[in-house]
Amino acid sequence: DGGITQSPKYLFRKEGQNVTLSCEQNLNHDAMYWYRQDPGQGLRLIYYSQIVNDFQKGDIAEGYSVSREKKESFPLTVTSAQKNPTAFYLCASSIRAGGAGTGELFFGEGSRLTVL
Amino acid sequence: SQKIEQNSEALNIQEGKTATLTCNYTNYSPAYLQWYRQDPGRGPVFLLLIRENEKEKRKERLKVTFDTTLKQSLFHITASQPADSATYLCALHTGGFKTIFGAGTRLFVKA
Repeated sequence: DGGITQSPKYLFRKEGQNVTLSCEQNLNHDAMYWYRQDPGQGLRLIYYSQIVNDFQKGDIAEGYSVSREKKESFPLTVTSAQKNPTAFYLCASSIRAGGAGTGELFFGEGSRLTVL
Repeated sequence: SQKIEQNSEALNIQEGKTATLTCNYTNYSPAYLQWYRQDPGRGPVFLLLIRENEKEKRKERLKVTFDTTLKQSLFHITASQPADSATYLCALHTGGFKTIFGAGTRLFVKA
């Protein structure tokens, strides 16, 4: 079955550590996204990528980094510079990049990061 | 500033009734408005989208309306069931790379 796989489901981090969240898709989608979800707030865009080897900052990119070396993969690193990293992180993809298409997003099951 | 507002209070209804959720937005001109369902601890799942030139869209027991003058969308679930209990997210897609999400409304359907 096609879909998006995020791992790990739960992750604990000590202060000062970097952690990397994995996101893999087998939908052959061009665009991939990382969102952060906090209670009582809408999903906020961290980074997005339209094509391999290209990515753009979203609204809250500070303290995060990404790479897009393969079409299927878009890992997110939460660095020690992110001051409030405890959140639910969602990876998503869409068929096309750019203005074409309806923007329908396909989401993974999320990764919950807790800072100890 | 640009905002999407969904009722932050949970909606409690009886099984069989129609649930109506509201999404209001300001300072956007969305090309599409989307609705997603999210269960606790899981990723959102796309349900329906409606285009700016459409007034109403239906899919099985779901109906969405879109009033670009009022800047409002209503999402209806008819003949609601306990399995419909979830958080429903409204999202605006302006045709670029960004989809902007509301915080969601939690729906509880009692048997």
